[in-house]
Amino acid sequence: KQEVTQIPAALSVPEGENLVLNCSFTDSAIYNLQWFRQDPGKGLTSLLLIQSSQREQTSGRLNASLDKSSGRSTLYIAASQPGDSATYLCAVRNTDKLIFGTGTRLQVFP
Amino acid sequence: ETGVTQTPRHLVMGMTNKKSLKCEQHLGHNAMYWYKQSAKKPLELMFVYNFKEQTENNSVPSRFSPECPNSSHLFLHLHTLQPEDSALYLCASSHGGTAPYEQYFGPGTRLTVT
Repeated sequence: KQEVTQIPAALSVPEGENLVLNCSFTDSAIYNLQWFRQDPGKGLTSLLLIQSSQREQTSGRLNASLDKSSGRSTLYIAASQPGDSATYLCAVRNTDKLIFGTGTRLQVFP
Repeated sequence: ETGVTQTPRHLVMGMTNKKSLKCEQHLGHNAMYWYKQSAKKPLELMFVYNFKEQTENNSVPSRFSPECPNSSHLFLHLHTLQPEDSALYLCASSHGGTAPYEQYFGPGTRLTVT
């Protein structure tokens, strides 16, 4: 059974810092991995999707890497801003299901 | 409207009530999903519809009844719920079929059962 773990569960940093959020999964037979952002009480916004054949994806200040063999992904946020404050969720695609982690709650203070 | 919309955004209901959640997607997709997000737990997949046919029921209690009348609309009918059913219910859509297409999420309905 696929399990997805995200570390740390919460993170509080000053503005301007570069951050790394971690995601690990137990079954490396995945189709893809997706990083989402969720603002309090809101739905999910897709940030980056990495196919199983890819090593990384970049969008603006965000860079996500995937090491399928070791069951790990990282989300790198450069030059963090208060507007980046949210919960970041990692999800892996096994067959027809997305399996989610419990998220990392990020707070960036001015 | 664009993307995936959900109504209502907030719902408070008693355990004996019957209510329905609605999801609508304007993306031309053929697959739709219901997820449940409880406090401090990962999102849980509840139901999947592919081309209006239910293809997944993740051991969801019968007090939750989904309906997909067409590829653009998805409902979740609720009756005799329990307080532990209070959660954020998220709808998502994607291209249909078995390929692992990206899912697009709605804003969710915050449900409170009293």
